[in-house]
Amino acid sequence: DTAVSQTPKYLVTQMGNDKSIKCEQNLGHDTMYWYKQDSKKFLKIMFSYNNKELIINETVPNRFSPKSPDKAHLNLHINSLELGDSAVYFCASSRGTGTTNEKLFFGSGTQLSVL
Amino acid sequence: AQSVTQLGSHVSVSEGALVLLRCNYSSSVPPYLFWYVQYPNQGLQLLLKYTSAATLVKGINGFEAEFKKSETSFHLTKPSAHMSDAAEYFCAVSDRSGGSNYKLTFGKGTLLTVNP
Repeated sequence: DTAVSQTPKYLVTQMGNDKSIKCEQNLGHDTMYWYKQDSKKFLKIMFSYNNKELIINETVPNRFSPKSPDKAHLNLHINSLELGDSAVYFCASSRGTGTTNEKLFFGSGTQLSVL
Repeated sequence: AQSVTQLGSHVSVSEGALVLLRCNYSSSVPPYLFWYVQYPNQGLQLLLKYTSAATLVKGINGFEAEFKKSETSFHLTKPSAHMSDAAEYFCAVSDRSGGSNYKLTFGKGTLLTVNP
């Protein structure tokens, strides 16, 4: 069973479109994250949720809106996609509450290409 | 704010040779330090982490790293490289500076290639 699964694996879309990426973890973890990895492999945190509450919100355009319907799911919706949004987006989870320093478990990534 | 610097974006070794991947950190408080590995088309996996217990940390797949406070370093080593070690390696630092929640900050990664 995949611990952290995200869909779709690949997403190709036109500029200006709205798209969503879904993430689910079956580990019973309390905290989930979205990371963005650019073309140079640089990995940067975007958001973190603990038990459906936002706890980390980095400087990310408000076209990006995370939604956590329950603690096992953290989806990422992106409005008005731009060329610079092209990247690999990773979902991750950890057991801790965000105030503890736990190992992260990563999904296999969603490669977003904006044309 | 915390940060890590990985020296060398690409390291190439021969199979059986020593692997040394360098990481220096900057943190205003005692840090927690991690090494993650990313195989092609996969997510990151934890190799090892330092949490202020022993300064020499052993991880999976024969890797280890030594925390040196005087040098602000946390270099990753493996005595003998294997072809399956070819991957991207990320050093990361975590602390609560700037807030009450831990935040993990990654370095820019080092691509390890292993030649037969």
